[in-house]
Amino acid sequence: EAQVTQNPRYLITVTGKKLTVTCSQNMNHEYMSWYRQDPGLGLRQIYYSMNVEVTDKGDVPEGYKVSRKEKRNFPLILESPSPNQTSLYFCASSSPGSGEQYFGPGTRLTVT
Amino acid sequence: DAKTTQPPSMDCAEGRAANLPCNHSTISGNEYVYWYRQIHSQGPQYIIHGLKNNETNEMASLIITEDRKSSTLILPHATLRDTAVYYCIVRVPPLIIKAAGNKLTFGGGTRVLVKP
Repeated sequence: EAQVTQNPRYLITVTGKKLTVTCSQNMNHEYMSWYRQDPGLGLRQIYYSMNVEVTDKGDVPEGYKVSRKEKRNFPLILESPSPNQTSLYFCASSSPGSGEQYFGPGTRLTVT
Repeated sequence: DAKTTQPPSMDCAEGRAANLPCNHSTISGNEYVYWYRQIHSQGPQYIIHGLKNNETNEMASLIITEDRKSSTLILPHATLRDTAVYYCIVRVPPLIIKAAGNKLTFGGGTRVLVKP
């Protein structure tokens, strides 16, 4: 089954404690993105990758890092989480020839 | 990407067709119409897209007016599981403009409530 998986699905953590949210897709897609969704602000792109070892900042990259060492994985790293990073996070993947994006189930992060 | 206008909410009876309108009067010639939906707090889900011809798949039908300034997404037999926010997006497909990893920008969408 074609899918994007994220882990963990829920996470409560404290300010400053480094964390990683993993994202994996099984569709051999070149493009992958991370979004955050906050009430009233819609989906905002954090980082994206257009292929292995090719990443770039999206609209709200501050406080986040990513890596793309393998085509299927695109982890999101919060080196020192802060309460304003409390949000619902989605990973997405797609191929260059398709307008269809596949989204993961989401990770609800709370930073206290 | 062209701006779209959708009604903020609508109700639909279970088993009936749901017709979701979208206005995109500034659409340009190479922009497609895409529809996604998001069931509460789940990841957005692609539904359908089209350029100028009507399209149909297993989920829905997309009717685009001849002047392409508006479109309608039709869910032929709405179920309770179709309750979601539906987003109409107009954009150049990623094959033509390779930017931002195929970033999607959602507007306000239409909150659809399917009632028994």
